[in-house]
Amino acid sequence: SQQGEEDPQALSIQEGENATMNCSYKTSINNLQWYRQNSGRGLVHLILIRSNEREKHSGRLRVTLDTSKKSSSLLITASRAADTASYFCATALIQGAQKLVFGQGTRLTINP
Amino acid sequence: ETGVTQTPRHLVMGMTNKKSLKCEQHLGHNAMYWYKQSAKKPLELMFVYSLEERVENNSVPSRFSPECPNSSHLFLHLHTLQPEDSALYLCASSQDTGGWGNEQFFGPGTRLTVL
Repeated sequence: SQQGEEDPQALSIQEGENATMNCSYKTSINNLQWYRQNSGRGLVHLILIRSNEREKHSGRLRVTLDTSKKSSSLLITASRAADTASYFCATALIQGAQKLVFGQGTRLTINP
Repeated sequence: ETGVTQTPRHLVMGMTNKKSLKCEQHLGHNAMYWYKQSAKKPLELMFVYSLEERVENNSVPSRFSPECPNSSHLFLHLHTLQPEDSALYLCASSQDTGGWGNEQFFGPGTRLTVL
């Protein structure tokens, strides 16, 4: 299976609710990043959390990292219709040339 | 806009055609990447360039040939492709490939259809 796996694969909530997405990975990492992709477009970087950090905030986004469980979560608070997109976690492995290994993503739909 | 542009945005080609995808970054970055995104599959890293030198080639078939003439431009030359190569091809750049880790800036992608 993949290095990064998101859960759930799809999430549908009402506008104003909070959305939580989870990511699990298998090997030791340098950092973990979350990206967002609108349908058929490029990915946009949201937030990066390093392996020695446990929590990070950016606006309505909150990311946690638990290296002992090899997992991360992305929380979007007070969701808006414009948050509808696919969200991917990407792990940067500890090796010479940094590669990002992406999961399959969570498809988030915010219903107005 | 992320500072990374890709052309063309859409491409339809036959299996015997030769075409090229172009990527340009205006961010002063030293590293550039090609990814392939197929339906229902994770984003697949194809090639990594650092300071115009290829540092990663992820077992990509030879019908895909990358070229990085300078740190701002990256090409993907395509020839004798197969229908299963139809996908969204994404280019990305980052400050460099090492260190604590760098966010990557993605272009909008080229939607490729091979007939």
